[in-house]
Amino acid sequence: EADIYQTPRYLVIGTGKKITLECSQTMGHDKMYWYQQDPGMELHLIHYSYGVNSTEKGDLSSESTVSRIRTEHFPLTLESARPSHTSQYLCASSDYRQASLFGYTFGSGTRLTVV
Amino acid sequence: KNQVEQSPQSLIILEGKNCTLQCNYTVSPFSNLRWYKQDTGRGPVSLTIMTFSENTKSNGRYTATLDADTKQSSLHITASQLSDSASYICVVSDRGSTLGRLYFGRGTQLTVWP
Repeated sequence: EADIYQTPRYLVIGTGKKITLECSQTMGHDKMYWYQQDPGMELHLIHYSYGVNSTEKGDLSSESTVSRIRTEHFPLTLESARPSHTSQYLCASSDYRQASLFGYTFGSGTRLTVV
Repeated sequence: KNQVEQSPQSLIILEGKNCTLQCNYTVSPFSNLRWYKQDTGRGPVSLTIMTFSENTKSNGRYTATLDADTKQSSLHITASQLSDSASYICVVSDRGSTLGRLYFGRGTQLTVWP
């Protein structure tokens, strides 16, 4: 029933490559987020957006960048991937008015491996 | 420091048995507490959301409790099924910003054996 989609689900790339992780939601949510999660560890916020043309860095320092040109689309880009970027990346969205009631909707994640 | 601590870190139970997962938090000012279920390789899925005034909330075989005075929550799973095997994450939101900052626990990894 999730209306937030992430692609690709799995990605293995070489060091130095540029990659973009896609995230799209069809719920019209104004807020979108990117989280990074390592096995057995908590989620860490790396980027968020309040709406179109609004992006902010999260708590965890990240070498990635994001853009929000359309409400439904919030891609994350790594200009030069390194093995330290190996992780799971989760995209989420929420409605400003309903976040406290219905929580956040998460995508299925992208498992990134940099070799 | 705002933190969310979950216990146990991992738990193995037999199918059909009940179990209770714990969450202690120090987040202040408190807004709400959520329990999520995360299957391996998937994103978290919301089970329950509880505000300050709510003590208990159920979602099928899942029952969450909240004691805002002691800053503790529990998630009780009744008559466990194999499909309950997953990580259960406690997430607390504060009221200190428009963003509604989320604080995540590391999760309890539940394994249900047949």
